[in-house]
Amino acid sequence: GAGVSQSPRYKVTKRGQDVALRCDPISGHVSLYWYRQALGQGPEFLTYFNYEAQQDKSGLPNDRFSAERPEGSISTLTIQRTEQRDSAMYRCASSLGLPGTGGAGNTIYFGEGSWLTVV
Amino acid sequence: AQSVSQHNHHVILSEAASLELGCNYSYGGTVNLFWYVQYPGQHLQLLLKYFSGDPLVKGIKGFEAEFIKSKFSFNLRKPSVQWSDTAEYFCAVNGNTGRRALTFGSGTRLQVQP
Repeated sequence: GAGVSQSPRYKVTKRGQDVALRCDPISGHVSLYWYRQALGQGPEFLTYFNYEAQQDKSGLPNDRFSAERPEGSISTLTIQRTEQRDSAMYRCASSLGLPGTGGAGNTIYFGEGSWLTVV
Repeated sequence: AQSVSQHNHHVILSEAASLELGCNYSYGGTVNLFWYVQYPGQHLQLLLKYFSGDPLVKGIKGFEAEFIKSKFSFNLRKPSVQWSDTAEYFCAVNGNTGRRALTFGSGTRLQVQP
């Protein structure tokens, strides 16, 4: 697609429910990233994929959080047994090349984000 | 572990004033540096980036940033701000060691008064 697409844009869920957030990266982008952003804070890294392989999941806060990208394109971030502290903006991003390398392939493009509110 | 510090949390300027937002980073390898902007109600957009070469980088909308390796800094500048520059600005770093994904600073909220 033309840009990184995320759905749903807004999600309100009850505490204890599971939530799945979807990300469709820019077509052909190799790497896909998930970030979480609380109000007044910078984006906080959660995890990223190169193709379908999850390269780094060190930012996932606990085992209620998981992510997958089974075919190297669309990714899903799942939060099980949601808690109020999970309320935040969840941002997905993608890049043409592998992260950390120089050049235009390292430019990371963000989607509009999914606002999650746990009540 | 890499980190980014943005010391100015909230900056208020009048139109036509000059802007400089500070960014200091900690990183152990070859570094790539970025500034992103988030306008009200919009998503994060890339303003400019540094990979290598000329340490003075020019971006969109008249913004520029200077990479000073000895100071571990990548400050963002604009000679004359406009009301439309009101936004939140984030400095970020990645590179060829450690965590490859971007690490962001906490952001600076810029408010430009007409």
